[in-house]
Order: sequence, then C-alpha cells, then structure tokens
Amino acid sequence: AQSVAQPEDQVNVAEGNPLTVKCTYSVSGNPYLFWYVQYPNRGLQFLLKYITGDNLVKGSYGFEAEFNKSQTSFHLKKPSALVSDSALYFCAVRLFQGGKLIFGQGTELSVKP
Amino acid sequence: SAVISQKPSRDICQRGTSLTIQCQVDSQVTMMFWYRQQPGQSLTLIATANQGSEATYESGFVIDKFPISRPNLTFSTLTVSNMSPEDSSIYLCSVALAGGNTGELFFGEGSRLTVL
Repeated sequence: AQSVAQPEDQVNVAEGNPLTVKCTYSVSGNPYLFWYVQYPNRGLQFLLKYITGDNLVKGSYGFEAEFNKSQTSFHLKKPSALVSDSALYFCAVRLFQGGKLIFGQGTELSVKP
Repeated sequence: SAVISQKPSRDICQRGTSLTIQCQVDSQVTMMFWYRQQPGQSLTLIATANQGSEATYESGFVIDKFPISRPNLTFSTLTVSNMSPEDSSIYLCSVALAGGNTGELFFGEGSRLTVL
C-alpha cells in the first residue's frame, strides 16, 4: 500500500535555529511529493513539491525540502525558524493513478522566541 | 492558483439531519476532491468528484452517506447525510488545475461541522 509517514507528532525549535520536519514515503513508481502547511482554523496552503530533477526544492516562506530516493525521504527544512512558522505541516504524495493526494499524519511545529 | 469558496464555513447541526456543502471555483479545474479532517487528525480522502458522472468513493465511504454532485467544471457539492456526532469534522474541497497528476492540489478554507 502506498503511504506517507511523519514520525514526529511535534517539533519544537527556538526562533533563529534551523528546523527539520521529517517525512518518509512508500509508493510504487516515481513519487510526486508535496508539503502543505495549515494555520489554525485555516485550509491547507501549498509550500513546495518534488516531481523530478534537482533533489533540493525550494518553496514558499523560505522553506526547502530534500528528496532522498535511497532513504525514501522528503524532509522539510528551513535555515532559520520564525515564530510565525508555528503551524501544522503535512507531507503528501500524489498518486499517478487517480491523481489523489495521500497525506501523512501531520507534524505540529512550535517555534518559541 | 485558484480561488476556492466553500459554504458554509461552519455550522452546528442536529443529529439525524443532513447538510450540503458547496464548493465553487473561479476557474475550470480538471479534478475535484472532497477530504475530511477529524479533530486533531490528518486529512482523509472521501471521494473524487467526477464531472457528469457518479463520484469515486474511497474505502470506508459510501454514496448513501456522502452523496456528491459535480454538474460542471467549477462546482461541486458534498452532502453529509443522517449526521451523528462522529461526523463532526472539517470538510475540505480540493482541486487540481493542471499538470496532470504531478501538479499541486489547492484547498478551500474548509467547512467546520459540529453535530450535537
């Protein structure tokens, strides 16, 4: 079965420090990977995606993610966290057949001043 | 991107009643999906809304409970039928604009339902 896993329910980071939110996937064929962010009482906002090409992809708000095929991972990173980055982050894979998006469990990111 | 409007944004409903959620997009889209996000949980796909034909439901979701319509390329509705407190969730409409199966999906703000 195709799936996405986010091993950490919560990540705590001090403002100004680098942050990493982890994601691993299990899919057949080439993965189409995405990161979304959800602020309280809001819908999901698209951050970035990996389809093919350079393993390091850059997205909105200074976020980037590194695709690692051998480790089947797609970790979200940011060099310097902001308090305003505090939100719920979802990793997702889009399936070639049917085009639907399968989500991980989500990781709550908390950035303290 | 696209502007996706969902109505209602929130509602409080009585057990046993039904509620229809509307999703309107400001441009024609290739694919539309309905997701459910239960309190403190991730998003689960309910169904793919197919234009002009019956929706494609995921395992665990049935048409009698979640009837879906998609009369054209910019509009869809999801009905939550015979509601119980377990149906209290955020329901989100999602669309794909282009890019085949590799493009990102865009989401509405969601409809937060509370069933008493």
